[in-house]
Amino acid sequence: AQKVTQAQTEISVVEKEDVTLDCVYETRDTTYYLFWYKQPPSGELVFLIRRNSFDEQNEISGRYSWNFQKSTSSFNFTITASQVVDSAVYFCALSEANAGGTSYGKLTFGQGTILTVHP
Amino acid sequence: DTGVSQNPRHKITKRGQNVTFRCDPISEHNRLYWYRQTLGQGPEFLTYFQNEAQLEKSRLLSDRFSAERPKGSFSTLEIQRTEQGDSAMYLCASSFGREGRNEQFFGPGTRLTVL
Repeated sequence: AQKVTQAQTEISVVEKEDVTLDCVYETRDTTYYLFWYKQPPSGELVFLIRRNSFDEQNEISGRYSWNFQKSTSSFNFTITASQVVDSAVYFCALSEANAGGTSYGKLTFGQGTILTVHP
Repeated sequence: DTGVSQNPRHKITKRGQNVTFRCDPISEHNRLYWYRQTLGQGPEFLTYFQNEAQLEKSRLLSDRFSAERPKGSFSTLEIQRTEQGDSAMYLCASSFGREGRNEQFFGPGTRLTVL
């Protein structure tokens, strides 16, 4: 069975601080996908990033970066120089994949981390 | 690309009534998913379709719940004999379902309140 744990329930930072959101996952599959979604106060989930289990290269995209470590089953997400508009609930999610690498589709979400960025 | 749309956005009903929600996915997406989200929790998977075929259903989807995607385009989720525990946000998402293009795009949700 899949499980995603986001141990941080709430984080509060001041604008321009860097913030890292933690995510730990459990799966028995060797091929899977990991995602981060943002849910602002308006309620609509917004896709941020996707990572394949067979690609551990960490990347930076603008103010976002992520650190995927298979050895510790972690997929942490960092926002650099946070802004008030980053205030939202952030969800980490896991999707298992078949042998061809195509996602089975079902996302298992963590409980979410509420990020508040103060001006 | 107009995004995923859901109707209605809000629904208030009395216990025991039937309700139906509609989801229109992004037009070129062949996969459509339904999730349920309660306050303070992450979304929970209910069911998903590839084209018109319903490929997986969660144990959360009791006999009172039924979903359809008759022509592989829009989908409906019906809840019969609603209970107060059904109160939640019902989210629809769609995706290409292909390697490298499998991220799911979500609609704004339908908030159901059962009195």
